[in-house]
Amino acid sequence: AQSVSQHNHHVILSEAASLELGCNYSYGGTVNLFWYVQYPGQHLQLLLKYFSGDPLVKGIKGFEAEFIKSKFSFNLRKPSVQWSDTAEYFCAVSNTGGFKTIFGAGTRLFVKA
Amino acid sequence: ETGVTQSPTHLIKTRGQQVTLRCSSQSGHNTVSWYQQALGQGPQFIFQYYREEENGRGNFPPRFSGLQFPNYSSELNVNALELDDSALYLCASSPSGINEQFFGPGTRLTVL
Repeated sequence: AQSVSQHNHHVILSEAASLELGCNYSYGGTVNLFWYVQYPGQHLQLLLKYFSGDPLVKGIKGFEAEFIKSKFSFNLRKPSVQWSDTAEYFCAVSNTGGFKTIFGAGTRLFVKA
Repeated sequence: ETGVTQSPTHLIKTRGQQVTLRCSSQSGHNTVSWYQQALGQGPQFIFQYYREEENGRGNFPPRFSGLQFPNYSSELNVNALELDDSALYLCASSPSGINEQFFGPGTRLTVL
């Protein structure tokens, strides 16, 4: 069955700490991978995406993610978080046709100032 | 450029009623997808419309139906509402051939 698993439901960090959010997927065929972010009171927005090519992708606000095909993983990283990174983060996967996107349950990140 | 808009923002219905939610896609986008996001969960894919035709469907019963209009706006209709239908309903649009979705703010549906 197609699924996306996010390892941490809640993460609390202090400012300047490093962040890594885990994401594993089960999805047949060639995949497109995404991280979306939802800031408090705002709607979902794309943080970064992987379609093909370099497995290390860079997104907005200093975030990056690495696609490891052998591990079916697409972990999100940021070297130094800020208070403004407090949000909920969703990993998502779709087929290359793109008509069905599967989301993980989300990880709520709280960054202490 | 106007982003994806949804109406209404909030809605309260009782069990057994029917509801229609609306979505205006971003300018130039001809593909619309609908998602249900229950509290504490990630969005779940309901269905997608491309050029007024259903292009794929998730694991939702037939009482969830949709429409897409020539201007690419869309409706989600839910019949015979159940308590478990209480959720945030998200609409996302994308341009043709581009697998990147732009989300609206959602409609919060409460079924009593």
